Amino acid sequence: EDKVVQSPLSLVVHEGDTVTLNCSYEVTNFRSLLWYKQEKKAPTFLFMLTSSGIEKKSGRLSSILDKKELFSILNITATQTGDSAIYLCAASGGSNYKLTFGKGTLLTVNP
Amino acid sequence: GAVVSQHPSWVICKSGTSVKIECRSLDFQATTMFWYRQFPKQSLMLMATSNEGSKATYEQGVEKDKFLINHASLTLSTLTVTSAHPEDSSFYICSVIGSSYEQYFGPGTRLTVT
Repeated sequence: EDKVVQSPLSLVVHEGDTVTLNCSYEVTNFRSLLWYKQEKKAPTFLFMLTSSGIEKKSGRLSSILDKKELFSILNITATQTGDSAIYLCAASGGSNYKLTFGKGTLLTVNP
Repeated sequence: GAVVSQHPSWVICKSGTSVKIECRSLDFQATTMFWYRQFPKQSLMLMATSNEGSKATYEQGVEKDKFLINHASLTLSTLTVTSAHPEDSSFYICSVIGSSYEQYFGPGTRLTVT
């Protein structure tokens, strides 16, 4: 059975801190690893990673994939209160690219 | 990325009635759409894969006769929750696959069954 595990499940930091969110996966016919941010509604797309060792970056967020060790990390530097959200990791696999989601990391950034 | 809409954004219905939720891909022709369900404080669970012009593929444990999926065009998939019960109350979200096989989600539909 496909499985995605995220850690920590929740995290509380102060504005300006740097955080690292972890995601490990076991997925049959793995294709890609995706990160999403979920606030009050549906998840919004952050990154899709398909190749090992190549960092993807968007502003203060960055992510990297290790296909040998089957994990990915999402870094957020200089956190702001607007970064408070649930961060979901999902692995895509199989012939129809379906996603298996982890339980998410609830990040709270306090002023 | 793809722009996805859902309608309605929230709905309240009585137990035993049926509810239809629409998912539209506004700027992208989607041969495949996915339907997810999310209970409070839980992650997204895939319910079914909706394929344009053919039958949907349901995940294990999801009743196909209760959750009817129709994907009649490249821009529209519908999910009908038949004979709804309070335990069907949830957040239903659809997604489409983008050009690089990433998934983009609709804004979700919050269903409350009383």
